[in-house]
Amino acid sequence: NAGVTQTPKFRILKIGQSMTLQCTQDMNHNYMYWYRQDPGMGLKLIYYSVGAGITDKGEVPNGYNVSRSTTEDFPLRLELAAPSQTSVYFCASSTRDRGINEQFFGPGTRLTVL
Amino acid sequence: GENVEQHPSTLSVQEGDSAVIKCTYSDSASNYFPWYKQELGKGPQLIIDIRSNVGEKKDQRIAVTLNKTAKHFSLHITETQPEDSAVYFCAASLTGTASKLTFGTGTRLQVTL
Repeated sequence: NAGVTQTPKFRILKIGQSMTLQCTQDMNHNYMYWYRQDPGMGLKLIYYSVGAGITDKGEVPNGYNVSRSTTEDFPLRLELAAPSQTSVYFCASSTRDRGINEQFFGPGTRLTVL
Repeated sequence: GENVEQHPSTLSVQEGDSAVIKCTYSDSASNYFPWYKQELGKGPQLIIDIRSNVGEKKDQRIAVTLNKTAKHFSLHITETQPEDSAVYFCAASLTGTASKLTFGTGTRLQVTL
């Protein structure tokens, strides 16, 4: 299994541009998550999904959108990029086992907005 | 919502010494506390976790302790090795649908020779 894969690894955007961060998992996990990681701030949950067709906001959803049309894919969309969205983005997936969800993380996408 | 505080932000120890990282949480309903290790350029990886019905859990050189009354939990690494150098995150969650994690701000551990 490849686990959780994310593309691209790096991206530079200009203010106002849009882009989609791709995330795919091959573990047949129901739950998927998007986090952003800023220096010294830990990981903040942006959006999450408990299954295909179901998404919900996390702690910092403003400026982002998601969709979950399949179990495998959970893309994150930035519509109007702003410098405040410069961050490292991590996608994760999990499956409920004994009521506990171990989350498996992808390698991240480093995004810079100039 | 849940708030998790983590200390220290950086920790330097000599190889073979022990390292301790501490976290406190605010929501008494939280019942699942994982620890993640993040190596440079990689995503976090689970190294150990503990549920609220257990006070301590060990896995080789790694142990986690939980004090529900005080709402704090700690990671203990014994006989540290250079490969333990990384950023460590604690997190708290309420098990159930989605089990969203609230992370601490991370501790950069440096193990020196």
